[in-house]
Amino acid sequence: GIQVEQSPPDLILQEGANSTLRCNFSDSVNNLQWFHQNPWGQLINLFYIPSGTKQNGRLSATTVATERYSLLYISSSQTTDSGVYFCAVHNTNAGKSTFGDGTTLTVKP
Amino acid sequence: SAVISQKPSRDICQRGTSLTIQCQVDSQVTMMFWYRQQPGQSLTLIATANQGSEATYESGFVIDKFPISRPNLTFSTLTVSNMSPEDSSIYLCSVEGRLHNEQFFGPGTRLTVL
Repeated sequence: GIQVEQSPPDLILQEGANSTLRCNFSDSVNNLQWFHQNPWGQLINLFYIPSGTKQNGRLSATTVATERYSLLYISSSQTTDSGVYFCAVHNTNAGKSTFGDGTTLTVKP
Repeated sequence: SAVISQKPSRDICQRGTSLTIQCQVDSQVTMMFWYRQQPGQSLTLIATANQGSEATYESGFVIDKFPISRPNLTFSTLTVSNMSPEDSSIYLCSVEGRLHNEQFFGPGTRLTVL
């Protein structure tokens, strides 16, 4: 099946810093999503981004489908950004979504 | 987007017992998904539940252990049977949006088995 690799696995930042999270996938996909799992376990949809670039406030994402990767940018990080960020890809052949192992982000005040 | 609720939000259960988790969606959806997230791990798909047919289970998950019901287009249940401490996880219900494959998740059920 399709492989999804996220990097880095862990990231510690000071409040106000910027960061880039990466998601590589091994096959063509028709859907890619970024999620934030908060400390209470809730998965929050950040972006639906099978290709191109989107921005939402301090967060933006870019997917280059032809090169099989996606990037999530977090600018001016805040302590509330802490949690686990997951990339999930949907492959038509598989008929389901596959999640990466996540990046655990800790933002210190 | 879809609004999804799950019951219970958390539970502590004894080994050997069973727990049924409910998932309610605010709109009709064709496909519903059940995921397991073990402590410190990513999400793993347990099964896909379509209304009117038997659920489709992923490798490593069997119907006897995780029976699923899908009586209508807005509701599903997942039962974790004959529980052991290894079943301690967050169980999440998910649906796909109408327009494309965007997934939305319920708040999860945090299960601890003693």
